[in-house]
Amino acid sequence: AQSVTQPDIHITVSEGASLELRCNYSYGATPYLFWYVQSPGQGLQLLLKYFSGDTLVQGIKGFEAEFKRSQSSFNLRKPSVHWSDAAEYFCAVGEREYGNKLVFGAGTILRVKS
Amino acid sequence: DVKVTQSSRYLVKRTGEKVFLECVQDMDHENMFWYRQDPGLGLRLIYFSYDVKMKEKGDIPEGYSVSREKKERFSLILESASTNQTSMYLCASLDRGNTGELFFGEGSRLTVL
Repeated sequence: AQSVTQPDIHITVSEGASLELRCNYSYGATPYLFWYVQSPGQGLQLLLKYFSGDTLVQGIKGFEAEFKRSQSSFNLRKPSVHWSDAAEYFCAVGEREYGNKLVFGAGTILRVKS
Repeated sequence: DVKVTQSSRYLVKRTGEKVFLECVQDMDHENMFWYRQDPGLGLRLIYFSYDVKMKEKGDIPEGYSVSREKKERFSLILESASTNQTSMYLCASLDRGNTGELFFGEGSRLTVL
């Protein structure tokens, strides 16, 4: 069965500092991987996704993520965090052939201090 | 833009009441999903549907049922609400043919007293 682990429940970074949110997955075949962001009181918005090809993927709002098969990881990064990035971030894994029933991690809450 | 609309943002119900949560999407997507979101647990799949009148159980279907009578509408039903069903409920619609992206509604926060 698929599973996703986000080891950090909360992360606090200073505005302008770099950010890395960790995500590890368990899945037998090549996974379809996603990062979503949820601002308070809102639904989830897709930041980026990996299906195949280049293992470094670029997303919206200046985010990127790198798929590392050997480490079963798909960590999210941003070189310089803005106060508006404060939100909850979810990593998810899915199988496109089965209608993309995504399995989500528990989420990481990002706080940005000025 | 794809729009997924959950008609009720906030609901307060009493134990034993029947609860309907409605979700409508406007992009002719075949696949729709209901997730439950709880702090520290992320999103857990309750039910999904891949066509009209078709449904499959997700990971936590107990205490819930669904209805998909029209392609654009996917309803979640709590036959007899209980306090442990107090949660945020998120509906999603899948752009399977193009981007493979799930589009989410803004959520329905249900409190069962």
